[in-house]
Amino acid sequence: NAGVMQNPRHLVRRRGQEARLRCSPMKGHSHVYWYRQLPEEGLKFMVYLQKENIIDESGMPKERFSAEFPKEGPSILRIQQVVRGDSAAYFCASSPGAQNSNQPQHFGDGTRLSIL
Amino acid sequence: GESVGLHLPTLSVQEGDNSIINCAYSNSASDYFIWYKQESGKGPQFIIDIRSNMDKRQGQRVTVLLNKTVKHLSLQIAATQPGDSAVYFCAENAGGTSYGKLTFGQGTILTVHP
Repeated sequence: NAGVMQNPRHLVRRRGQEARLRCSPMKGHSHVYWYRQLPEEGLKFMVYLQKENIIDESGMPKERFSAEFPKEGPSILRIQQVVRGDSAAYFCASSPGAQNSNQPQHFGDGTRLSIL
Repeated sequence: GESVGLHLPTLSVQEGDNSIINCAYSNSASDYFIWYKQESGKGPQFIIDIRSNMDKRQGQRVTVLLNKTVKHLSLQIAATQPGDSAVYFCAENAGGTSYGKLTFGQGTILTVHP
């Protein structure tokens, strides 16, 4: 029973490079969520996706950040032209739920992104 | 031991004691609440959830209480064990157009001494 799988676990990039973070949801889950966590803080919502659709991107920065969840393959969070302030832990969660059906989100162990 | 949530984010207890972790939420439209446990280097782990049509829910060694009048949530852990040491977060969901978006509290660090 594999849980939410994220890779890589650690990612180091230099300023100006691109970072690509991957997330495979739990088996049977079609809803994916991305959150960002700074040290000693709670998680902050970024984006909610279903297959091939962005449902809510109200937490995404307006520039440089994008997310997708294609029909086949993992969800990808992409950060272009990274800056030092992008250093954080990025967590992905998934749930099986239908719209308006409260279901707990189950989290992966995150990708720690460090910008040099 | 008892935490008042955002103002006292650290709670230390002795093994075997009961722990109470508190959380104040701000959105009166929130109708679904979850407690998560996060250990160092790992993602949040689901503990227990509660919907707004309930005021109490019990799991294995854990109980969640919801007081909608004062917008307060608490997590009670019975017979706390060293393995319970972690950061505990409450999270709320407002449903409707915000479905899917969890808003997390600051977190409370629970330390259990053997």
